[in-house]
Amino acid sequence: ILNVEQSPQSLHVQEGDSTNFTCSFPSSNFYALHWYRWETAKSPEALFVMTLNGDEKKKGRISATLNTKEGYSYLYIKGSQPEDSATYLCAFKTGTYKYIFGTGTRLKVLA
Amino acid sequence: NAGVTQTPKFQVLKTGQSMTLQCAQDMNHEYMSWYRQDPGMGLRLIHYSVGAGITDQGEVPNGYNVSRSTTEDFPLRLLSAAPSQTSVYFCASSYAGPDGNTIYFGEGSWLTVV
Repeated sequence: ILNVEQSPQSLHVQEGDSTNFTCSFPSSNFYALHWYRWETAKSPEALFVMTLNGDEKKKGRISATLNTKEGYSYLYIKGSQPEDSATYLCAFKTGTYKYIFGTGTRLKVLA
Repeated sequence: NAGVTQTPKFQVLKTGQSMTLQCAQDMNHEYMSWYRQDPGMGLRLIHYSVGAGITDQGEVPNGYNVSRSTTEDFPLRLLSAAPSQTSVYFCASSYAGPDGNTIYFGEGSWLTVV
């Protein structure tokens, strides 16, 4: 059974803190790893799509790294702001049409 | 930009009733899919389609039907609603293929079956 795990499940940080989350996935049959930002009552919004081992992507204060050999990806947020509060979701693409989603990390940034 | 549009946003059904969740995308994506989101679980794939006239089952297909008569539309039918189908449903689309194509999601449909 292919499993994608995200940790921690939830996180509270103070405004200005930097933080990071982990997405663990199987190290075989890797096609891509997606990160999404998901605000309550809205649709998940794509942050990064990563396909190569060693990939590093950055979007403003948010960045991600990928290690396909050991099966993990880290998402980093530098200088967290209240508007960063959301659930961060990863999805492991393991076939042309097959995605396995993690359960997400819920981030709350306190002002 | 409309993106992925799904309706209705909220629906309450009685057990045994049927209904259709509508999904449309205007990005000419080949791949469309339906997921359900339940507490403590990741998004689970119900059905997907890789083009007009082609559909296939996902992880949790029982109790649901789909069809894909056009590239744009991918409705999800609940045949005889059950309380276990109370969930949040997301329609999604992307370009098909083995590369890491971004998935675009609709805003979700909250369904309660009583």
